[in-house]
Amino acid sequence: AQKITQTQPGMFVQEKEAVTLDCTYDTSDQSYGLFWYKQPSSGEMIFLIYQGSYDEQNATEGRYSLNFQKARKSANLVISASQLGDSAMYFCAMRFGGKTGANSKLTFGKGITLSVRP
Amino acid sequence: EAGVVQSPRYKIIEKKQPVAFWCNPISGHNTLYWYLQNLGQGPELLIRYENEEAVDDSQLPKDRFSAERLKGVDSTLKIQPAELGDSAVYLCASSSSRDYPAIETQYFGPGTRLLVL
Repeated sequence: AQKITQTQPGMFVQEKEAVTLDCTYDTSDQSYGLFWYKQPSSGEMIFLIYQGSYDEQNATEGRYSLNFQKARKSANLVISASQLGDSAMYFCAMRFGGKTGANSKLTFGKGITLSVRP
Repeated sequence: EAGVVQSPRYKIIEKKQPVAFWCNPISGHNTLYWYLQNLGQGPELLIRYENEEAVDDSQLPKDRFSAERLKGVDSTLKIQPAELGDSAVYLCASSSSRDYPAIETQYFGPGTRLLVL
């Protein structure tokens, strides 16, 4: 079965430090996409970063980078230089299978709460 | 560019009453999704539209939930009658098959928080 696992309890980080949020997945598919979303208390899911299963380099987007270890089936999000505004829920999600068609839905993990301390 | 718009943002109703949620996707996005998010959980897909066609509604409880996207742009999700267990956040998202390299990234609206009393 295809599954996303986020098992960390609430995470705390000091402002300006880096933090890693864990995500593991389970699939037998060779083609898939990994996404991270941020959900602040306002409720909107904000897209952060994407990694394709065939991408050879880890994705980076500003202060966000994805530590993609395909053999371990992990896709951890690294946030550098944490800011107070980073406090939110963070969801790892996966799109299994090909680009379009029946596999376009996202399967989400349960999320991780991140709190940034001043 | 305007994001995904949803209304209302909040809705409180009594059980057995009907309720409807509206979503307007990002301009030009041909795919629209409705997700249900229970407290402390990640979103779960209810229905996906490609233009005006519902291509995946396997998770939609069809006895009480219905959805439409008549002209392939905005969409309405309806619950009739609502039950206590329907209290949740209903998220709408949209994507474009022309999006690259983040292939078909889904962009979400702010959601509608429903409370059924």
